[in-house]
Amino acid sequence: AQTVTQSQPEMSVQEAETVTLSCTYDTSESNYYLFWYKQPPSRQMILVIRQEAYKQQNATENRFSVNFQKAAKSFSLKISDSQLGDTAMYFCAFMKTSGTYKYIFGTGTRLKVLA
Amino acid sequence: DVKVTQSSRYLVKRTGEKVFLECVQDMDHENMFWYRQDPGLGLRLIYFSYDVKMKEKGDIPEGYSVSREKKERFSLILESASTNQTSMYLCASSFLAGYTYEQYFGPGTRLTVT
Repeated sequence: AQTVTQSQPEMSVQEAETVTLSCTYDTSESNYYLFWYKQPPSRQMILVIRQEAYKQQNATENRFSVNFQKAAKSFSLKISDSQLGDTAMYFCAFMKTSGTYKYIFGTGTRLKVLA
Repeated sequence: DVKVTQSSRYLVKRTGEKVFLECVQDMDHENMFWYRQDPGLGLRLIYFSYDVKMKEKGDIPEGYSVSREKKERFSLILESASTNQTSMYLCASSFLAGYTYEQYFGPGTRLTVT
């Protein structure tokens, strides 16, 4: 069975600084997707970034980028130039591409950006 | 923009009551999901559906059932609510296949069972 581990329950970062959120996963699948979702306080969860396992190049979306280490089964999220609006709960998620499209979520990291 | 709506943001029910949580999506998505979110436990899948009248159990289906009579609507039913079902419930939807596999989430229903 697949598992997703986020070892940092809470983190804080100064505005304009860079922060990295950790995620590790365990799977025997060779083909899968990894995601980071953001849940702002009292707002809907939205997708931040997605990585396909067969792609070696790390995904980037503006100030958000990932460090995908397939052999180490690690998928960290880097937020550059942190903004107050980045304050949120961040969830790492895994989805295998065979069978049903079920996600496995981590327990989340609560990030607070300080002014 | 994809919109996933849930019938209530906050709900308070008594132990033993039958509870209905409704979810509607407007993007013609085949897949729909119900999760519960608890502090320190992340999101756990209760049930999902990949087509009308089709359903599959997730990781924690005990005490819950679901109904999907129309493609756009997916209901979660607590047959006899208990205090350990106090939680945040999130609905999500996605296309059956496609390179994005992105799930779109509703705003959540915070259910309190007293």
